[in-house]
Amino acid sequence: DQQVKQNSPSLSVQEGRISILNCDYTNSMFDYFLWYKKYPAEGPTFLISISSIKDKNEDGRFTVFLNKSAKHLSLHIVPSQPGDSAVYFCAATDVQGAQKLVFGQGTRLTINP
Amino acid sequence: DAGVIQSPRHEVTEMGQEVTLRCKPISGHNSLFWYRQTMMRGLELLIYFNNNVPIDDSGMPEDRFSAKMPNASFSTLKIQPSEPRDSAVYFCASSFPQGPTGELFFGEGSRLTVL
Repeated sequence: DQQVKQNSPSLSVQEGRISILNCDYTNSMFDYFLWYKKYPAEGPTFLISISSIKDKNEDGRFTVFLNKSAKHLSLHIVPSQPGDSAVYFCAATDVQGAQKLVFGQGTRLTINP
Repeated sequence: DAGVIQSPRHEVTEMGQEVTLRCKPISGHNSLFWYRQTMMRGLELLIYFNNNVPIDDSGMPEDRFSAKMPNASFSTLKIQPSEPRDSAVYFCASSFPQGPTGELFFGEGSRLTVL
């Protein structure tokens, strides 16, 4: 049973435009959410996170939005750059589970020049 | 600083053979995780250790899978006997608790192909 779902396997965006990656979760106990980025032949690397006490967290070109009532979060990248082309994983955990992260299936983002 | 080190990077084996994947976590990190990446399910947590002690192995698929962490700087994931459906990329990650949840640092992964 997928507790964290990324329903779009792939996304293609033009350079300079906004990229929006979506993630849904089913477990209402989740209270901390993270996005990881993965390049081919490398391990995932941490990108940005958000606690459930917030609805937005921003870091440079990356912003994560959390809608707790809809159990939905999204990652916005503005403006998109060619180096952003990668697979993005959404992850969630709860205070009880601490570092036990539950990941989604990933979304492959391609930024076109 | 060295990151999480995994070996081998690639492994091709025949069904029924034993496979051992190895991981060296970042020095000073006290938590270690084994994940498996597949197209269908993304990154699945198999098992994790805190201070060398297995905390949660509920993600281990079946008895053919076992993991050990004999000391703070080494862990193994063993599959015996291996089957074609075990083909995947296996990631090891380590972390040190920071606040409510610690950031995971992943190795480059071990790509396993079982023929």
